[in-house]
Amino acid sequence: DQQVKQNSPSLSVQEGRISILNCDYTNSMFDYFLWYKKYPAEGPTFLISISSIKDKNEDGRFTVFLNKSAKHLSLHIVPSQPGDSAVYFCAAPSGGFKTIFGAGTRLFVKA
Amino acid sequence: NAGVMQNPRHLVRRRGQEARLRCSPMKGHSHVYWYRQLPEEGLKFMVYLQKENIIDESGMPKERFSAEFPKEGPSILRIQQVVRGDSAAYFCASSPRRDDYEQYFGPGTRLTVT
Repeated sequence: DQQVKQNSPSLSVQEGRISILNCDYTNSMFDYFLWYKKYPAEGPTFLISISSIKDKNEDGRFTVFLNKSAKHLSLHIVPSQPGDSAVYFCAAPSGGFKTIFGAGTRLFVKA
Repeated sequence: NAGVMQNPRHLVRRRGQEARLRCSPMKGHSHVYWYRQLPEEGLKFMVYLQKENIIDESGMPKERFSAEFPKEGPSILRIQQVVRGDSAAYFCASSPRRDDYEQYFGPGTRLTVT
């Protein structure tokens, strides 16, 4: 049962353009969401988060949007840079202890 | 401030052997989480530990897998009698507080079972 879904395995974007990564969830009890970024041979690193009481959170080039009625969130990166090429995971804490991760979206930013 | 340390980075075991994966959390962090990542999949929660206590092991397979976080030393994830399906990347994460949603991950241990 996938409670957090990232339906796009990969995304290719030109440098300088906007990258939009999508995430859907099924559990309406989720009240906090995180995005992690992962480079090959490294562990995930925290990127940005959003509480369910908000519909937008911005940090520099990264903005996360939350649509609770649609159970959908998205990560916008603008402008995209080649160094942003990585796998991005959407995640949600569940039950206080465990974090549920999506399968990830591999972003390629072409120079 | 050193990050989360995991060793070994790569581990090769034959079927039936034991695998021991070690994790040292960030300084000041007393909450440790283990995750497993199979190829082309996301990270799957396995277990959450505090010092000397297993808090939530709902993601651990019922047999052959165990975890500990002793008073002194690193957290250990132990897999007995490994099978090919155990081949995966195992990540450890830590946090300073239980209600801290952001977790700090180590570089992972890639286990290959031949």
